[in-house]
Amino acid sequence: KQEVTQIPAALSVPEGENLVLNCSFTDSAIYNLQWFRQDPGKGLTSLLLIQSSQREQTSGRLNASLDKSSGRSTLYIAASQPGDSATYLCAVRGSGGSNYKLTFGKGTLLTVNP
Amino acid sequence: SQTIHQWPATLVQPVGSPLSLECTVEGTSNPNLYWYRQAAGRGLQLLFYSVGIGQISSEVPQNLSASRPQDRQFILSSKKLLLSDSGFYLCAWRDRTYDTQYFGPGTRLTVL
Repeated sequence: KQEVTQIPAALSVPEGENLVLNCSFTDSAIYNLQWFRQDPGKGLTSLLLIQSSQREQTSGRLNASLDKSSGRSTLYIAASQPGDSATYLCAVRGSGGSNYKLTFGKGTLLTVNP
Repeated sequence: SQTIHQWPATLVQPVGSPLSLECTVEGTSNPNLYWYRQAAGRGLQLLFYSVGIGQISSEVPQNLSASRPQDRQFILSSKKLLLSDSGFYLCAWRDRTYDTQYFGPGTRLTVL
């Protein structure tokens, strides 16, 4: 059974700092990995999706990397801003043509202080 | 563009009462649909998913059920709520082209 772990559970940084969020998964047979953002009391917003054949994806100040063989992904946020404060969740989709399910980590609560 | 709606946004129900949460998607056809529950300290748990009308797969045995009466409508139900059913319920649809899941705004359910 796939398990996804996110470290740290919470992180507080001053504005402008670069930071890294970590995600690890136990079964390396994944189809893709996705990073989401969740604001308090809201639904999830997709940030980046990395296919199993890819090493990284970038969107603006966000960069996500994937090392499938070691079961790890990182989300790098450059020049953090108070508006980046949210919970960040990592999710993996298992391999297999008809497996459309995602397994989520519990998330990292990020606070960026002005 | 695609939009996903959930209602109600907030619900407070007594133990033993029935439940019906609705999710609808606009702007796409034949989407994969999902119900998740997010409880404090437990992360996001997949409850049900559907690949088509009338096709429901259950992930977690419980007193909840799901139905898909129309292509873009997904309903979560219970005949008798338990205290443990409290949580934040999220509906999502899957974009087949980009293999991304898009989430609705959620329903906050409190069972007293």
